[in-house]
Amino acid sequence: RKEVEQDPGPFNVPEGATVAFNCTYSNSASQSFFWYRQDCRKEPKLLMSVYSSGNEDGRFTAQLNRASQYISLLIRDSKLSDSATYLCVVNPFNQAGTALIFGKGTTLSVSS
Amino acid sequence: DAGVIQSPRHEVTEMGQEVTLRCKPISGHNSLFWYRQTMMRGLELLIYFNNNVPIDDSGMPEDRFSAKMPNASFSTLKIQPSEPRDSAVYFCASSQVTGNTGELFFGEGSRLTVL
Repeated sequence: RKEVEQDPGPFNVPEGATVAFNCTYSNSASQSFFWYRQDCRKEPKLLMSVYSSGNEDGRFTAQLNRASQYISLLIRDSKLSDSATYLCVVNPFNQAGTALIFGKGTTLSVSS
Repeated sequence: DAGVIQSPRHEVTEMGQEVTLRCKPISGHNSLFWYRQTMMRGLELLIYFNNNVPIDDSGMPEDRFSAKMPNASFSTLKIQPSEPRDSAVYFCASSQVTGNTGELFFGEGSRLTVL
């Protein structure tokens, strides 16, 4: 079983749609979780952290379910500019200066 | 401020040739990571350094791969001899040991094609 698993998609949605991505992780001791965004032929960039209580950043909401080892990202009112690959990321040790484990990513395509 | 700088951006080489990829981390960052990305396997950690010391090289595929960090502002990843299956995008990333536990700053990547 891979350490971080995601549905690769692609998810093809119209502008204004709400879309949700899911991710599961295998190491129950993992401590911190993140979503990164990667545009086509570009480098990954941090989108947001994921907290146990859930957190929101504008149109983006991230949720963590530790019992199920499940992470989600919800995007409301999708924009064309949201088209990208979204990477689910786990830090198994909850400390900086350690390597992050990346899922293979879920591709989103938003069309007009 | 300058981000992580990688070179070359693109390299096409023939099987058996030596390849050297270079990385300059963000000034003040003391953790450096080398990742490789392919469609099949996604982003895989190859090796990382803290304060110029290699911490985990378990992701280095085999003896053909080596990485060094002679000082805080420079790292190399070398493949010798290269093989077609090494074709991938190689990313260097840096962070601060005392920083956000999830923020890595990536360079633009080095796209390697081995013929």
